[in-house]
Amino acid sequence: QVQLQESGPGLLKPSETLSLTCTVSGDSISNFYWSWIRQPAGKGLEWIGRINTSGSTNYNPSLKSRVTLSLDTSKIQLSLKLSSVTAADTAVYYCARGGLWGLDSWGQGTLVTVSS
Amino acid sequence: DIQMTQSPSSLSASVRDRVTITCRASQSISSYLTWYQQKPGKAPKLLIYGASTLQSGVPSRFSGSGSGTDFTLTISSLQPEDFATYYCQQTYNTPRTFGQGTKVEIK
Repeated sequence: QVQLQESGPGLLKPSETLSLTCTVSGDSISNFYWSWIRQPAGKGLEWIGRINTSGSTNYNPSLKSRVTLSLDTSKIQLSLKLSSVTAADTAVYYCARGGLWGLDSWGQGTLVTVSS
Repeated sequence: DIQMTQSPSSLSASVRDRVTITCRASQSISSYLTWYQQKPGKAPKLLIYGASTLQSGVPSRFSGSGSGTDFTLTISSLQPEDFATYYCQQTYNTPRTFGQGTKVEIK
């Protein structure tokens, strides 16, 4: 059974770059799309973007200018970079696996707080 | 972007009640609709995909229906562990978009 684990700094200052890693274990990462989703406290889910093992990416237009997703197949890790963060980027960030038929496996999420 | 609108935003129900949550898409998404359940402090859990296919391990009291723009999640007999927030998501195109969520609370 696949397991996903997000990691990265929990506190950032405004204008810094958020960098998160998602480590995948228990299954191959091939033939799947891997997504990032975030959720501000008490609010709904926002899809950030996705990447597949061919390196093809899709981003949410609302974040596209600031987001970069990458995939290290040798380490079986996904990475999310979000530049020029503000308080509005404070949220729990999740990585998840899935495609046309939804996101069937999720990490437990990691809280990122942006504060001066 | 395709807008997903859920109703109601919240509801109060009792154990063994039948509960129905609606999700409407701003354009046709065929059957590319997924339902998730999220409990406080936890990641969402996939319940139904393809509008009506139950994910493995999900109790049969959950069911989904609809196609095009209008979809429904039904819990036939609400159980204590079903009190949670439910989200729909379209997987028809990108950006994938979620409904705003429906919180199911204990009456």
